[in-house]
Amino acid sequence: DAGVIQSPRHEVTEMGQEVTLRCKPISGHDYLFWYRQTMMRGLELLIYFNNNVPIDDSGMPEDRFSAKMPNASFSTLKIQPSEPRDSAVYFCASSRDAISGNTIYFGEGSWLTVV
Amino acid sequence: GESVGLHLPTLSVQEGDNSIINCAYSNSASDYFIWYKQESGKGPQFIIDIRSNMDKRQGQRVTVLLNKTVKHLSLQIAATQPGDSAVYFCAEKGAQKLVFGQGTRLTINP
Repeated sequence: DAGVIQSPRHEVTEMGQEVTLRCKPISGHDYLFWYRQTMMRGLELLIYFNNNVPIDDSGMPEDRFSAKMPNASFSTLKIQPSEPRDSAVYFCASSRDAISGNTIYFGEGSWLTVV
Repeated sequence: GESVGLHLPTLSVQEGDNSIINCAYSNSASDYFIWYKQESGKGPQFIIDIRSNMDKRQGQRVTVLLNKTVKHLSLQIAATQPGDSAVYFCAEKGAQKLVFGQGTRLTINP
């Protein structure tokens, strides 16, 4: 099993540019989560999907952030326009259910720097 | 709500000693708790979990203790090894969400 696959692993972009982060969850997992990690705020849940449907997006910081899951094997997190304060590590995770933590698998993260 | 921290708490232990990492959780309605390990440059990795109807659970070299009265969780690592160096997060589940704590950095002295 390849695990949760994220791309890009690292991205440096200029303020104002659009950023698209991609995620391929583990096959058969019904839940997909996007987290953001910063030194100041730790790991924050941004949004999660169940069967490709967004269930809770209350963690999305503002309208510049959007997430989609067009099918069971692909999700994107988009930031437009990007700002320096968006610099963080963005993790995608997937699980078979949202109940048991041992089924939540994290990707290696996308390290975003906005200059 | 989530706590905001400027500095990650650090625990330094001698190789071979036992490590105890503590965590205070905020939601008394949380019914499930998990410890994750995050190595540098990687995503969080599941270590062990415990449900609210339990006080203690043991894994391989790790034990999690839950004290619901004071909303406290701890992770004990026996015979700490260099490979245990990482940041450890506790997480609580409430209303389908997994909320992570601030994290504790564990460093191992040879």
